[in-house]
Amino acid sequence: DAGVIQSPRHEVTEMGQEVTLRCKPISGHNSLFWYRQTMMRGLELLIYFNNNVPIDDSGMPEDRFSAKMPNASFSTLKIQPSEPRDSAVYFCASSLNGDTEAFFGQGTRLTVV
Amino acid sequence: GEDVEQSLFLSVREGDSSVINCTYTDSSSTYLYWYKQEPGAGLQLLTYIFSNMDMKQDQRLTVLLNKKDKHLSLRIADTQTGDSAIYFCAESPGSGNTPLVFGKGTRLSVIA
Repeated sequence: DAGVIQSPRHEVTEMGQEVTLRCKPISGHNSLFWYRQTMMRGLELLIYFNNNVPIDDSGMPEDRFSAKMPNASFSTLKIQPSEPRDSAVYFCASSLNGDTEAFFGQGTRLTVV
Repeated sequence: GEDVEQSLFLSVREGDSSVINCTYTDSSSTYLYWYKQEPGAGLQLLTYIFSNMDMKQDQRLTVLLNKKDKHLSLRIADTQTGDSAIYFCAESPGSGNTPLVFGKGTRLSVIA
């Protein structure tokens, strides 16, 4: 398996634009997580899914953020409209079950100017 | 709720041992993990320990678990410049099917 695949690796966008980040989890994994990493706050859990169903989105910072998982092999994290303070590295991770070892993607570095 | 604490920075000389410490709050944690993040990359699992163990050794890595004090440590023997990275401690909450709880990470700098 190629591991968790995220795209794009880098994204630069202007303030106010919509940004969509994509993730393909490891095949057979039932849980998927979206994290945000910044120098100030470290690694923050934004939302996680079990069997494609959102379980806890309390980490999503604002209504501008939304996440979907239409099937077991794909998830998106959307920011609309984007703001400079959204600049961060966004990681997607998957695991067999929610509380077991998480496998991380390489991350998407988002810069909002 | 669960919380995992780590010191933010550690600097050591090449060839010395590094010890990264972590404290956690959930006494029912089943597994505790150490992840490594190299620059520009995602987190990768380095090692883990089951909660009924005191110690685990894997080549240059030694994990010590003090369950009574809820203290976990990672010792890297003969630290190399390639060990420079951020190290994250994480616990698996005992409540089942809930995500790992990560610390903020310890940035290890190895001086040649």
